[in-house]
Amino acid sequence: DTGVSQDPRHKITKRGQNVTFRCDPISEHNRLYWYRQTLGQGPEFLTYFQNEAQLEKSRLLSDRFSAERPKGSFSTLEIQRTEQGDSAMYLCASSSNQGAQAKNIQYFGAGTRLSVL
Amino acid sequence: AQTVTQSQPEMSVQEAETVTLSCTYDTSESDYYLFWYKQPPSRQMILVIRQEAYKQQNATENRFSVNFQKAAKSFSLKISDSQLGDAAMYFCAYPRGGTSYGKLTFGQGTILTVHP
Repeated sequence: DTGVSQDPRHKITKRGQNVTFRCDPISEHNRLYWYRQTLGQGPEFLTYFQNEAQLEKSRLLSDRFSAERPKGSFSTLEIQRTEQGDSAMYLCASSSNQGAQAKNIQYFGAGTRLSVL
Repeated sequence: AQTVTQSQPEMSVQEAETVTLSCTYDTSESDYYLFWYKQPPSRQMILVIRQEAYKQQNATENRFSVNFQKAAKSFSLKISDSQLGDAAMYFCAYPRGGTSYGKLTFGQGTILTVHP
């Protein structure tokens, strides 16, 4: 169990460019979440997968945002035509619905910090 | 809609002393989990403690314990024998649906400073 991995850790881009982030959850975790966190605030939910199915998308997730989890393992979050307001930390978390102790505990990655210039 | 409120933007404590961080929440569920997460300056969120609402006993994890008041919808975190490594932002969180669906709603966070 190597924990939740996110790549890259930092991304600087120019306004209007597309960016893609990757998240590798803890192996065998069937649930994967994306959150966005701005400085000094708590994370806000963006979207959620159970296996490969995207079950919910927040209203924060505009049409410029898309997330996938094609094989039920890693996930990608793409932002098209980035705007300065997209600058934030993007956090990924995973959890399992198995096991009484571990059930529903979300384990977070270190995040990808996006800066849009 | 579920809401989570942390009314203390910042708290400070002397090393080895005890500090309590407050959290209130709103829910219509009768059975649910509550969480405290810690986010050190390195930014990775770490689970500190979890409480199950149907359990009367307050959860404890070493120096961390909670005071869970279900009727008052209050869920405070007590840190005993504070250490320098406890300095971080602390978030209270509630999973939507209570137990079966893990999308988390976080409070605004409390920055904890530990003075040597």
